[in-house]
Amino acid sequence: GENVEQHPSTLSVQEGDSAVIKCTYSDSASNYFPWYKQELGKRPQLIIDIRSNVGEKKDQRIAVTLNKTAKHFSLHITETQPEDSAVYFCAAPWEGYNNNDMRFGAGTRLTVKP
Amino acid sequence: EAQVTQNPRYLITVTGKKLTVTCSQNMNHEYMSWYRQDPGLGLRQIYYSMNVEVTDKGDVPEGYKVSRKEKRNFPLILESPSPNQTSLYFCASSLTALTGELFFGEGSRLTVL
Repeated sequence: GENVEQHPSTLSVQEGDSAVIKCTYSDSASNYFPWYKQELGKRPQLIIDIRSNVGEKKDQRIAVTLNKTAKHFSLHITETQPEDSAVYFCAAPWEGYNNNDMRFGAGTRLTVKP
Repeated sequence: EAQVTQNPRYLITVTGKKLTVTCSQNMNHEYMSWYRQDPGLGLRQIYYSMNVEVTDKGDVPEGYKVSRKEKRNFPLILESPSPNQTSLYFCASSLTALTGELFFGEGSRLTVL
């Protein structure tokens, strides 16, 4: 079943504004939380990840925050630019049928308007 | 160059004609996985493999088979393709399942008529 929920499904912002995408997960043992970016016609690629021993991680204009108590983590993009337009996916571990595995959120289509 | 290679990149086939999409990685990764991507449905996992000879079902395994006889290869087999398997397929690999970056192949766009 669905155990990685991602919101919103679409997000439109003006260039220069900030964008925030949130994911919630259910497996309390999770300790690795990546974000992937998929540009149109291309493969998903990792842009940032965070491990459970920290609450925030930054890389230039992008940051990820983690709230383990509430079981959610968020992607923050500041000073958005048109090239940030893409679909963003979060992922989180879940307990699979026989082994632990990762699951993706449904994705957020971000549009940055010039 | 570290990469995940899928073939074919594009394929149009007919219902019932068996096909295999190959996936190979050169990074000595233990974990490999197959996803299908359909509009509005994100990345749905078909099958995954934790290591050689270890494979498990993902969320949408029906109509697919996989094998992991060697560490580098993880082929996806459609024994009798149907039109509802028309999709964009991605293979991915990572060092381990839960703690490392997933590297994706370029994708294989499959159309079943």
